[in-house]
Amino acid sequence: AQSVTQLDSHVSVSEGTPVLLRCNYSSSYSPSLFWYVQHPNKGLQLLLKYTSAATLVKGINGFEAEFKKSETSFHLTKPSAHMSDAAEYFCVVNTNRDDKIIFGKGTRLHILP
Amino acid sequence: DAGVIQSPRHEVTEMGQEVTLRCKPISGHNSLFWYRQTMMRGLELLIYFNNNVPIDDSGMPEDRFSAKMPNASFSTLKIQPSEPRDSAVYFCASSLVSGVGDTQYFGPGTRLTVL
Repeated sequence: AQSVTQLDSHVSVSEGTPVLLRCNYSSSYSPSLFWYVQHPNKGLQLLLKYTSAATLVKGINGFEAEFKKSETSFHLTKPSAHMSDAAEYFCVVNTNRDDKIIFGKGTRLHILP
Repeated sequence: DAGVIQSPRHEVTEMGQEVTLRCKPISGHNSLFWYRQTMMRGLELLIYFNNNVPIDDSGMPEDRFSAKMPNASFSTLKIQPSEPRDSAVYFCASSLVSGVGDTQYFGPGTRLTVL
């Protein structure tokens, strides 16, 4: 069975410092992995996705994520946080086999001035 | 393109009433998804359609919930009768490629409150 775990429900960083949002997955097959962002009172928006090409994936707004099969991780990073990054972030896995999609519980990112 | 359009944006109703949520996907997209988001349960996939055909409705909580997609540009999610525990934000999303593996584009959501 597939699953996805976002290790932190809340993360706080100061503006201008690096961001790390952690995601681990479990999948019997080669997965597709996504990160979505949700700003307050808005729908979700795709940040980036991994689909078995390059393991380092670059997304919008300076975010990137690295697929590490040995660690079953897909952590989201950004070198320098901006106030506009304050939002909730969802890690998502799809096994490409049984056509199921699983959303993580979300990590709320707070940016301190 | 206007993106995924949902209506109404907010709905307040009383327990026992019928509620109908509406969604217009992005033109040309082949899959449509209905999600429910609550603080307790997070984001849950309720049902999705490929080319207007329901593919997976295993997430639909019970028989009070039903969804239809009569054509490629319109879908409804109906709750009858509604209960307070149905209070949530309901999102519709669409994707170009059939199935759950493609990028999904989400609407702004409908906030449902059942009193």
